[in-house]
Amino acid sequence: EAGVTQSPTHLIKTRGQQATLRCSPISGHTSVYWYQQALGLGLQFLLWYDEGEERNRGNFPPRFSGRQFPNYSSELNVNALELEDSALYLCASSWPGTDEKLFFGSGTQLSVL
Amino acid sequence: AQSVTQLGSHVSVSEGALVLLRCNYSSSVPPYLFWYVQYPNQGLQLLLKYTSAATLVKGINGFEAEFKKSETSFHLTKPSAHMSDAAEYFCAVSVTNQAGTALIFGKGTTLSVSS
Repeated sequence: EAGVTQSPTHLIKTRGQQATLRCSPISGHTSVYWYQQALGLGLQFLLWYDEGEERNRGNFPPRFSGRQFPNYSSELNVNALELEDSALYLCASSWPGTDEKLFFGSGTQLSVL
Repeated sequence: AQSVTQLGSHVSVSEGALVLLRCNYSSSVPPYLFWYVQYPNQGLQLLLKYTSAATLVKGINGFEAEFKKSETSFHLTKPSAHMSDAAEYFCAVSVTNQAGTALIFGKGTTLSVSS
């Protein structure tokens, strides 16, 4: 069974550009979570999608947004990139109703120059 | 607000020594608590979770954690460290509001194991 897959593995952008990160959950999982892992800050919760809807949002500005598609895959979009957006972005998925056990992908390393 | 604090960003032990990674939580309600491990260049993997069924929780790879309400702690231990245990470990608490539930993670503790 395939795990959570994220693409691209690495992404290099410059300030002001937009970044799009993609995530495919484990088959059968309907919930997708996005976390930011910045150096020295640990993992910070960004967004939670379930059944195509945004269910919860962390303390991030509106330029961080996303969506979930009918096949439960998800995109994270970061607009007007800033240097401090450089981080590892992790996607996780879970079974319906059991959002406390998360399965994580390997992440997308976003570098903003 | 619910949160977790991991004490010590780096812990170094010798192979065969006891591993102790500290986590304290802050929660106004009985929490669900988790430990995740992140090996180099990999995503996070659930080690164990506490859901109030038992205060001593056994996880994978010989790890266990004890929930102590009086100390608001959920420290992770392993009696004998292996080289393969070298990784980053995250404590997390489940946070629920009217919109739903998410995990809030600590800043992580990097475990180094020397031979």
